[in-house]
Amino acid sequence: DVKVTQSSRYLVKRTGEKVFLECVQDMDHENMFWYRQDPGLGLRLIYFSYDVKMKEKGDIPEGYSVSREKKERFSLILESASTNQTSMYLCASSPGGTNEKLLFGSGTQLSVL
Amino acid sequence: RKEVEQDPGPFNVPEGATVAFNCTYSNSASQSFFWYRQDCRKEPKLLMSVYSSGNEDGRFTAQLNRASQYISLLIRDSKLSDSATYLCVVIHNNAGNMLTFGGGTRLMVKP
Repeated sequence: DVKVTQSSRYLVKRTGEKVFLECVQDMDHENMFWYRQDPGLGLRLIYFSYDVKMKEKGDIPEGYSVSREKKERFSLILESASTNQTSMYLCASSPGGTNEKLLFGSGTQLSVL
Repeated sequence: RKEVEQDPGPFNVPEGATVAFNCTYSNSASQSFFWYRQDCRKEPKLLMSVYSSGNEDGRFTAQLNRASQYISLLIRDSKLSDSATYLCVVIHNNAGNMLTFGGGTRLMVKP
């Protein structure tokens, strides 16, 4: 069964900590994405990648960075976590040439205290 | 104004009812449209694409109105299992084919 796996379902961190959110997909997809989802704001794109070692900013990249050293893995990094980064983080992937059919991971609910 | 707008609901309907959601988009260059479904505390999953001619998948019908810039989702004979949030998604070329999500419409089907 093909899937996108996020390493943690729930995560609690303190303000100022460096946080790593990991995402792995087993479908050999070229495209990978990180979104955050907040009540009333919907899903917002943080960063995306169309290839290994390639990254592009989405709509809200401030306070985040990403890493894609291998095709199957796309990591989201919060350099210094802040309380306004408390959110549900969703990783997604899609085949090359189309973003139409995103396959999402089950999400990581991050709480920054 | 948000690029993709939906009534957040909730829409509370009895089993067997027909319910319809609309979604409006602001960018006239938008060219691909989808409905995703998201269950409570789960990830979004693609429900169906929306074609210019309209399309149907069982109890679900999706329509596109380019002139008025909205898409709709009609659910007939609602089931308890249809309770979820329905996300409208739009792609337009001048955004690098990125998906833009609406905030979602919550549906609750009651016995």
